[in-house]
Amino acid sequence: GNSVTQMEGPVTLSEEAFLTINCTYTATGYPSLFWYVQYPGEGLQLLLKATKADDKGSNKGFEATYRKETTSFHLEKGSVQVSDSAVYFCALSAGAAGNKLTFGGGTRVLVKP
Amino acid sequence: GAVVSQHPSWVICKSGTSVKIECRSLDFQATTMFWYRQFPKQSLMLMATSNEGSKATYEQGVEKDKFLINHASLTLSTLTVTSAHPEDSSFYICSAVGPGRYNEQFFGPGTRLTVL
Repeated sequence: GNSVTQMEGPVTLSEEAFLTINCTYTATGYPSLFWYVQYPGEGLQLLLKATKADDKGSNKGFEATYRKETTSFHLEKGSVQVSDSAVYFCALSAGAAGNKLTFGGGTRVLVKP
Repeated sequence: GAVVSQHPSWVICKSGTSVKIECRSLDFQATTMFWYRQFPKQSLMLMATSNEGSKATYEQGVEKDKFLINHASLTLSTLTVTSAHPEDSSFYICSAVGPGRYNEQFFGPGTRLTVL
């Protein structure tokens, strides 16, 4: 079946530090990959996505590249802000599952001033 | 665009009562909606897929008689937690997929249910 594994948090950083959150997946077929962000007290928001190998999704300074050879979709940001404090979820949608999303466990990020 | 709302945002109820949660797509028609459950500091667990005009498809281990889902129109799906118990306390989140937005789900803000 499909599965997503992402690094456990919490990840605590200082402002302007570099952020990486690792995400690897197992899926049948050719999945689409997503990163969602959940700010405190809010619902999930799509941060970025990639639908095929070597695609790079980007938004708000965040980037992730779809690496089929390593089945990975690591999230990166070069300089984080306090406002980036949130929980980040890696997810995939694949094959026979149609639009169903399979989520990773989430990574809580705390950025300190 | 692509806004999904949920109502109520939070609800407290007594054990044994039923609670209805609404999920609405405000500016698009959603042929498919999903219901998730999220425990504190954990990931989202898909409960069921709700298709307009047909019965919901439940994930393995989810009691369909306890979590009643109705997708009566292209903009509204409801989740009713019947005979709620404290272990049903959780954060319930819906999402909606519209025509032409393949693989993209838009999420509601969630409903926090507390059963006393």
